[in-house]
Amino acid sequence: QVQLLESGPGLVKPSQTLSLTCTVSGASISSGTYYWNWIRQSVGKGLEWIGRVYARGSTNYNPSLKSRVTLSVDTSKNQVSLQLSSVTAADSAIYYCARQVTGTTPLDYWGQGSLVTVSS
Amino acid sequence: QSALTQPASVSGSPGQSITVSCTGTSSDVGASNYVSWYQQHPGKAPKLLIYDVSNRPSGVSNRFSGSKSGNTASLTISGLQAEDEADYYCNSYTRTSTWVFGGGTKVTVL
Repeated sequence: QVQLLESGPGLVKPSQTLSLTCTVSGASISSGTYYWNWIRQSVGKGLEWIGRVYARGSTNYNPSLKSRVTLSVDTSKNQVSLQLSSVTAADSAIYYCARQVTGTTPLDYWGQGSLVTVSS
Repeated sequence: QSALTQPASVSGSPGQSITVSCTGTSSDVGASNYVSWYQQHPGKAPKLLIYDVSNRPSGVSNRFSGSKSGNTASLTISGLQAEDEADYYCNSYTRTSTWVFGGGTKVTVL
């Protein structure tokens, strides 16, 4: 059974960089054609796709966040990481990681989400 | 990229059928056979309900069905049940190899 678990600081100060990790179990992040996505959801709001990283390192980003987002993989730890720079209160949200089997397949496995609040 | 347009809320009585629409553009929904729908209950992660416009993953009730015409995709829930009360999101692949979600629809069972 594939499981994804997001982790990271729950509180980040404005203008700093938000860093989250998604630890994957039950699947190797570097095998096959997996894509690893990040999605966020502000409290009481809808889902926003942040971006995705391919097992071999290529990325696609939401154009509205592209200048501030970096996604990467650590195959030795079976982890996927998200960095979002220059955060503001508008970046406060639940951050989810989710898997795609190939580039056009749906998001079939999701993590439970990690709540991040941006506040001084 | 702009979010896909969904109605904020849709309601129906138990046993009825309801339809949730999802309107995009010729750069996303209109150009893609990769439209998905997700169901989200409060405090939970989204769950895949429909993929590739009209396919159901194993384990999803056949009361849920999807379709697409032009730039608009639709999710139909037939035989509405109390447990169907949740938020529903559409999601489409785009011409630029990104994904875009709809704003979400709250389904209420009266």
